[in-house]
Amino acid sequence: EAQVTQNPRYLITVTGKKLTVTCSQNMNHEYMSWYRQDPGLGLRQIYYSMNVEVTDKGDVPEGYKVSRKEKRNFPLILESPSPNQTSLYFCASSFGTSGPNIQYFGAGTRLSVL
Amino acid sequence: DAKTTQPPSMDCAEGRAANLPCNHSTISGNEYVYWYRQIHSQGPQYIIHGLKNNETNEMASLIITEDRKSSTLILPHATLRDTAVYYCIVRGFAGGTSYGKLTFGQGTILTVHP
Repeated sequence: EAQVTQNPRYLITVTGKKLTVTCSQNMNHEYMSWYRQDPGLGLRQIYYSMNVEVTDKGDVPEGYKVSRKEKRNFPLILESPSPNQTSLYFCASSFGTSGPNIQYFGAGTRLSVL
Repeated sequence: DAKTTQPPSMDCAEGRAANLPCNHSTISGNEYVYWYRQIHSQGPQYIIHGLKNNETNEMASLIITEDRKSSTLILPHATLRDTAVYYCIVRGFAGGTSYGKLTFGQGTILTVHP
C-alpha cells in the first residue's frame, strides 16, 4: 500500500531534549516536506527536499533540522525543543518537482514540549 | 499563488450532494485548482484537481466556471465520513523551489448530518 509513515504518532518531551520524528515513503517520490499545523494558523511548511541531499527552508524553519540521505526517508530533528514547538506535524511527499502537485500526507505526529 | 475564498462552514444531509464553492478570481492561466480535505486532525488527503475542464474521479467532481474565477467541489452522495475541512488551493504546475509548498487557507468545515 502506498503510504507516508511518520513515527511516533504522539510524543511528550521536555524543553531541550533532542528528538527526531521519522518520515518514510514507499512511493519513490522525489519531493518531501514537513508542515506544522497550529490552531488559527493553518499548515505551514517547515522544510522541504527536492531530492536526495537537496533540502531547503520553508516558511518556519527556525528550531528545526532535516536531512535527506535516502530517497525514502526525511527525518525532522529538533535539537533543543521549546514549548512553542508544541504542534501537530505532517510529513508529505509527491512524485516529482513539476507537474501535478498531488501530495500524500502522513497521519501526523502530535508533539508536546513541556 | 492566487488567493482562494471559501465559506467557513456548510451543512449537508447524509445521502445528498454536497456542493462546496471556492472563489479564485486572481487565478492565472497556468494555475490549477486542487482540492484537499482533512478529517479530524488526520493528514490532508488529495481529492481532485483541474485546469479548465470539469473533472470527475471516484471521490468527487470538480466544476470550474468558464472564466476560471470560481469552482465547485461536488460530493455526489455525502456520508457521515465526509465530515471534514475542505481546502481549495490554486497552484501552478511549474517546478522550482516553491513547487511543493501547498498554501492551506482556513478551508470549509463540512458537516454531514444524519
